[in-house]
Parts: sequence; structure tokens; C-alpha cells
Amino acid sequence: DGGITQSPKYLFRKEGQNVTLSCEQNLNHDAMYWYRQDPGQGLRLIYYSQIVNDFQKGDIAEGYSVSREKKESFPLTVTSAQKNPTAFYLCASSPGWGALTNYGYTFGSGTRLTVV
Amino acid sequence: AQSVTQPDIHITVSEGASLELRCNYSYGATPYLFWYVQSPGQGLQLLLKYFSGDTLVQGIKGFEAEFKRSQSSFNLRKPSVHWSDAAEYFCVYMDSNYQLIWGAGTKLIIKP
Repeated sequence: DGGITQSPKYLFRKEGQNVTLSCEQNLNHDAMYWYRQDPGQGLRLIYYSQIVNDFQKGDIAEGYSVSREKKESFPLTVTSAQKNPTAFYLCASSPGWGALTNYGYTFGSGTRLTVV
Repeated sequence: AQSVTQPDIHITVSEGASLELRCNYSYGATPYLFWYVQSPGQGLQLLLKYFSGDTLVQGIKGFEAEFKRSQSSFNLRKPSVHWSDAAEYFCVYMDSNYQLIWGAGTKLIIKP
């Protein structure tokens, strides 16, 4: 079955460390996204990628970095510069950009990151 | 700035009772609107979407939503809830740049 796989499900990080969250999709989608979810808030866009080797900052990109070297993969690195990284992180994809996003996004099951 | 408001943080409904979750948006043009559901600790699933045409939209799991331009609303409804409907529900607006703007969510609690 096609879908999005995020790993790990739970991740613990010490302060000052960088960590990388994995996101892989086998839906042949061109566009991929990273969202951050905090309690009592809607999802906030961190980064998105419309196509391989291209990505754009979202609303809260500071302290995060991404790469898109392959269509299937869009890893997110939470750097030590991110002041409050404890959150639930969701990866998503859509068939393409523009009107193709109207078909809706497919979401992974998320990674819960905790700073200890 | 465009925004999506879900005025109810929590709603408690008895199993078998009807449900309405409210959503209001501010925008400048014909909206693209979605409702997503998130089970605890899980990703999100699309329930339904509105782009144009019939203002009453049918979705999965027996949900429907009605777009009312005059009220800037897109409320989600279900005639009879089941315990498995307990989850968090998000109303989402797509802006002219195809970016999603999310409401803060409404947590649905089902009483047995």
C-alpha cells in the first residue's frame, strides 16, 4: 500500500544536539511538507518542497533544515538553534503543486520529539 | 491575515447523538476548505473538502459539511456519533498560494 513513513515514532534529544527525522513516501508525489504541531494550536508549516532538489521555508523555518535529494525522501533536521523543539512533527505529501494540492495531502503518523 | 477559527476547544457528545463542529474563516476569494481528523498520536486523515459547487459536501465516515458564504462558515456535522469518532478535528483553508491554514482544532469526546 502506498503511504508515508515517518521514523522514529518517538525521539529524545539532549540540548545542543542536532537530530534528523525521516520521512519517506512511495506515492510518487512531487510535493512534500513538514509541519510542527503543538498542543492547542493548528499545524504550522516548517518547510516544503515542490520538486526534487528544491525546497522553500515555511512559517517557522528557523532552527530547522531539510534536503530533497530524492523524490521519495524529505528528511528534517532539528538543529541546536531551535529554541523549543519539543513537539509533534508531521510529514505530508501531495501529488504536485498548485491545483494538484486540491486532491488533498497524505500525512505520515508523526514523530514526537522530546528534549531532555 | 487569513485565519481559521474553531471556537470550541473541546466538545463532549453522547454516543448516538448528533454532532456539529464549528469553523469560521476570513479570506478574500472563493475558498478551498477541508476537514481533517486526527486520532490520538496519529497522522491526519482527510474527511472531506469543498472547492465549489454544491455547498453541502459529503465525506467519509458519515460526515458532511456545509459551506455558507454569508456566514464565512464551514461546519462539520454527523447525525449520530460513534465512540470511534473520538479524535481531534481540524478545519483547514487553502490560500491563493496553495498553502494550508489550519484551525487550532476541536477535540471530540464521546460519552458512553
